[in-house]
Amino acid sequence: DAGVIQSPRHEVTEMGQEVTLRCKPISGHDYLFWYRQTMMRGLELLIYFNNNVPIDDSGMPEDRFSAKMPNASFSTLKIQPSEPRDSAVYFCASSFEQGGQPQHFGDGTRLSIL
Amino acid sequence: DQQVKQNSPSLSVQEGRISILNCDYTNSMFDYFLWYKKYPAEGPTFLISISSIKDKNEDGRFTVFLNKSAKHLSLHIVPSQPGDSAVYFCAASAPTSGTYKYIFGTGTRLKVLA
Repeated sequence: DAGVIQSPRHEVTEMGQEVTLRCKPISGHDYLFWYRQTMMRGLELLIYFNNNVPIDDSGMPEDRFSAKMPNASFSTLKIQPSEPRDSAVYFCASSFEQGGQPQHFGDGTRLSIL
Repeated sequence: DQQVKQNSPSLSVQEGRISILNCDYTNSMFDYFLWYKKYPAEGPTFLISISSIKDKNEDGRFTVFLNKSAKHLSLHIVPSQPGDSAVYFCAASAPTSGTYKYIFGTGTRLKVLA
């Protein structure tokens, strides 16, 4: 039973470069969430989608961040240009019929911007 | 402004004893609460949840208590086992208000000593 799949698991790149994080949600789940984990702020919700449509992007920190969900089985989170303060672990999660259903998380992408 | 707070960043407990992890929230609209467990290099995994219509929910060694008047919830683990050593996050949402996103606390690192 495949869970949420994220790639890459680790990404190290230089400041100013474009970074693309990828997520494949659990089949049948109609909600998809992107989170960022830092020591200071814990798990912050960046954006979430319902049926491929962005519902709430109020957590996206800046215009440098963008997220897309072209179909039910794929989503990307892009940072362009990247900065050292973007270094964090980024998680993708999905759930079915939100409103009390737990979210299932991927194992995250550890991003380091030098 | 943290709406969900876990004021203890870490906790150490002897194997076999009770572990109590605490969480406070400020938004009275929250009506659904969850606990997640996270091991290093893995995504958070769902542990247990509670709706605001209840004040207790039990699942094996794990019990969550909700005190709505104090805006406080706690997770009890009895008996604690070394495999319980992980970071525990509490999360809150307001699905009956149409707000489907979860707000997470910053986590408490539990260490169970053998």
